[in-house]
Amino acid sequence: DAKTTQPPSMDCAEGRAANLPCNHSTISGNEYVYWYRQIHSQGPQYIIHGLKNNETNEMASLIITEDRKSSTLILPHATLRDTAVYYCIAPLTYSGGGADGLTFGKGTHLIIQP
Amino acid sequence: DVKVTQSSRYLVKRTGEKVFLECVQDMDHENMFWYRQDPGLGLRLIYFSYDVKMKEKGDIPEGYSVSREKKERFSLILESASTNQTSMYLCASSWGTGELFFGEGSRLTVL
Repeated sequence: DAKTTQPPSMDCAEGRAANLPCNHSTISGNEYVYWYRQIHSQGPQYIIHGLKNNETNEMASLIITEDRKSSTLILPHATLRDTAVYYCIAPLTYSGGGADGLTFGKGTHLIIQP
Repeated sequence: DVKVTQSSRYLVKRTGEKVFLECVQDMDHENMFWYRQDPGLGLRLIYFSYDVKMKEKGDIPEGYSVSREKKERFSLILESASTNQTSMYLCASSWGTGELFFGEGSRLTVL
């Protein structure tokens, strides 16, 4: 059961890189780290996930420390539309085996300042 | 694109009523989930299902039940709605341990 902790809020200037940390010190070897974001009044949206290596897609980059106890989501050039609540979770396999790690918690409210 | 559709965007019900929240996904996903979201508490898992007719309790199952008779449909049932079940309810689906795809949510008010 990998629980995650995130800061409740962060500010970032528009055009700058937003770096959102997540601590998952109890993660086990087969648990991926997933990041989602939720814009007000919408359902959460998947951003990126990773296991050990750093990952990049069109939305963001994910940096996972070598010991896998923490990760950082990077939005390279934040825009006002990136203002949202960001969640990281580390779900254990749950097909018939329980739903550990699937509660999202409160996430980080990222506010992009103009 | 994966589509997760929740039957009602807004519902108003009275205390003691039986409430059905329906969720349908169109991507043949094996897993489906029901969450509730309340200010300051984040998203909390109520129930999930990893196969037809299979269900498992999440963190807050009390006062809720679920039904999954077909792979594409997952229903959340409030047998006797109470005011403390006023909330935003979110349905999600996934394939294996892949990413979750969420619906737009159903905002339930119990008077």
